[in-house]
Amino acid sequence: GQQVMQIPQYQHVQEGEDFTTYCNSSTTLSNIQWYKQRPGGHPVFLIQLVKSGEVKKQKRLTFQFGEAKKNSSLHITATQTTDVGTYFCAGMSNDYKLSFGAGTTVTVRA
Amino acid sequence: EAQVTQNPRYLITVTGKKLTVTCSQNMNHEYMSWYRQDPGLGLRQIYYSMNVEVTDKGDVPEGYKVSRKEKRNFPLILESPSPNQTSLYFCASSLSGTGGIQPQHFGDGTRLSIL
Repeated sequence: GQQVMQIPQYQHVQEGEDFTTYCNSSTTLSNIQWYKQRPGGHPVFLIQLVKSGEVKKQKRLTFQFGEAKKNSSLHITATQTTDVGTYFCAGMSNDYKLSFGAGTTVTVRA
Repeated sequence: EAQVTQNPRYLITVTGKKLTVTCSQNMNHEYMSWYRQDPGLGLRQIYYSMNVEVTDKGDVPEGYKVSRKEKRNFPLILESPSPNQTSLYFCASSLSGTGGIQPQHFGDGTRLSIL
């Protein structure tokens, strides 16, 4: 079945630095979604990428969808304490099954 | 207020005692789904439903049942719970259409402990 691998599992970042989390799927995806979950909370939708090679930006967050629609990345610049949480990618297959990556848990050193 | 409501939020029960976790959404969403979240494993899809009377298995359906008799409700049933089903469960809903499944709206979660 479809598998979505996400790395790294943990990211410890100095405030102000940049970091990237990566997702790779074993199969071609129809779209990929990104979510953020704060400690003790539920996942909250950030963005959806549909087109091959698509790049979207949300302030300091840049999302990319690979040309083959099998990988994606989230890059955060100038990390702030408000970026703390776990970031998940979720790949949608053609049969509408949604597979989440294991998540990247981000902590920030002030 | 648009929301996905799960009940109960917390439950401690014993092996073999049937339980149901309810999920209701007020956004007229077609797509509903159940996930379990375990440390280091992220969210794993248990079952999903494209619309009323249409349900499909996700990645980890064993030991669970669902039903979709009404558009707004999607209960998760554990007929004979076992300790390995101890987890944090999330229900989610979204619109669906020709563009695929839209962003998921998640409930607040149900923390289930099976002793």
